[in-house]
Amino acid sequence: QQQVKQSPQSLIVQKGGISIINCAYENTAFDYFPWYQQFPGKGPALLIAIRPDVSEKKEGRFTISFNKSAKQFSLHIMDSQPGDSATYFCAASFGNEKLTFGTGTRLTIIP
Amino acid sequence: NAGVTQTPKFRILKIGQSMTLQCTQDMNHNYMYWYRQDPGMGLKLIYYSVGAGITDKGEVPNGYNVSRSTTEDFPLRLELAAPSQTSVYFCASSYGTANYGYTFGSGTRLTVV
Repeated sequence: QQQVKQSPQSLIVQKGGISIINCAYENTAFDYFPWYQQFPGKGPALLIAIRPDVSEKKEGRFTISFNKSAKQFSLHIMDSQPGDSATYFCAASFGNEKLTFGTGTRLTIIP
Repeated sequence: NAGVTQTPKFRILKIGQSMTLQCTQDMNHNYMYWYRQDPGMGLKLIYYSVGAGITDKGEVPNGYNVSRSTTEDFPLRLELAAPSQTSVYFCASSYGTANYGYTFGSGTRLTVV
């Protein structure tokens, strides 16, 4: 049962461009939506997170956009750099319970 | 600060063998988790623990066992290894619930042949 659907599976973006990764969820009880970043050979690391009481959260070049009515949220990476090349996971949880992860997006930034 | 340490980093097992994946954290986190990562499938929760002496099943617990005798250690036991258990295994910990953020180890790549 896939409670958090993530797309695309892979993404190639030119340096300086905007990378956009989308996630959709089914459980309306979810109340915490983080994004994790994973480099090859490493474990995932928390990148940015949002709660459903706000529609957008920005940290540097990374922004989460949240659409509660559509049950969707997305990660935008502005001015994408080669160092942003990694696998990105969206996730969700409710009631302070454990995270449910999406399937991941492999992002490649090309010069 | 070591964070979450997993050993071994790589292992090849024969079908039917058993092994223990070790996980230790030095952050005094109460919550610990075991995930497996398969290509295109994301991270699936195997087992988790909310404190010493307390463990619970996740999404994919079959073929695995865990114990939590101390706050620091959360070993994952594979009994009678099967090819379907070929995966990358990640241990994670958090101070409290999911909202505190998970700290992951660097993973154990296991191949069952």
